[in-house]
Amino acid sequence: NAGVTQTPKFQVLKTGQSMTLQCAQDMNHEYMSWYRQDPGMGLRLIHYSVGAGITDQGEVPNGYNVSRSTTEDFPLRLLSAAPSQTSVYFCASSLGWDRSYEQYFGPGTRLTVT
Amino acid sequence: GQQVMQIPQYQHVQEGEDFTTYCNSSTTLSNIQWYKQRPGGHPVFLIQLVKSGEVKKQKRLTFQFGEAKKNSSLHITATQTTDVGTYFCAGGAYSGAGSYQLTFGKGTKLSVIP
Repeated sequence: NAGVTQTPKFQVLKTGQSMTLQCAQDMNHEYMSWYRQDPGMGLRLIHYSVGAGITDQGEVPNGYNVSRSTTEDFPLRLLSAAPSQTSVYFCASSLGWDRSYEQYFGPGTRLTVT
Repeated sequence: GQQVMQIPQYQHVQEGEDFTTYCNSSTTLSNIQWYKQRPGGHPVFLIQLVKSGEVKKQKRLTFQFGEAKKNSSLHITATQTTDVGTYFCAGGAYSGAGSYQLTFGKGTKLSVIP
């Protein structure tokens, strides 16, 4: 199994550009989520999905969209990039969504917005 | 909303010294998870605690969950350079509506001086 994969690894955007961060998992996990990590801020939840066709907002959803058309894929779209979105983005998945399940994280996408 | 505080933010130790990081929640938790992130890497699940007063050990690492299920600690005995990284706790709790939320602390960054 490849686990959780993310592309691209690095990305530089200009303010106002849009892009999609890709995330895929091959473990048949129902639950997937996106976090952003900023220095001193830990991991903050952006959006999550408890299954195909179901998404919901996390702690910091503004400026981001998600969709979940398949169990495997959970892309994160930046609609109009802003410098405040410069961060490291991690996708995570787990078998389910309650206290029993550990999160598996992807390798991350390092995004810089100029 | 649920808040998880983690201290200290940084810790520098000489190799061979012990290290402890503490996690405190504003609400009673259902479970607590611990993750380790190596420099430049992604968070990796270490362990989960679910019972009041639970203590688990992994070689030189000892994890505790408080009696009131509002705090937890990770203690490393005789640190090694391989212990370098950021350690995150993540507290899980159910809301009144029955939905589950996992909240990460901001992490403790451990540096080990050889």
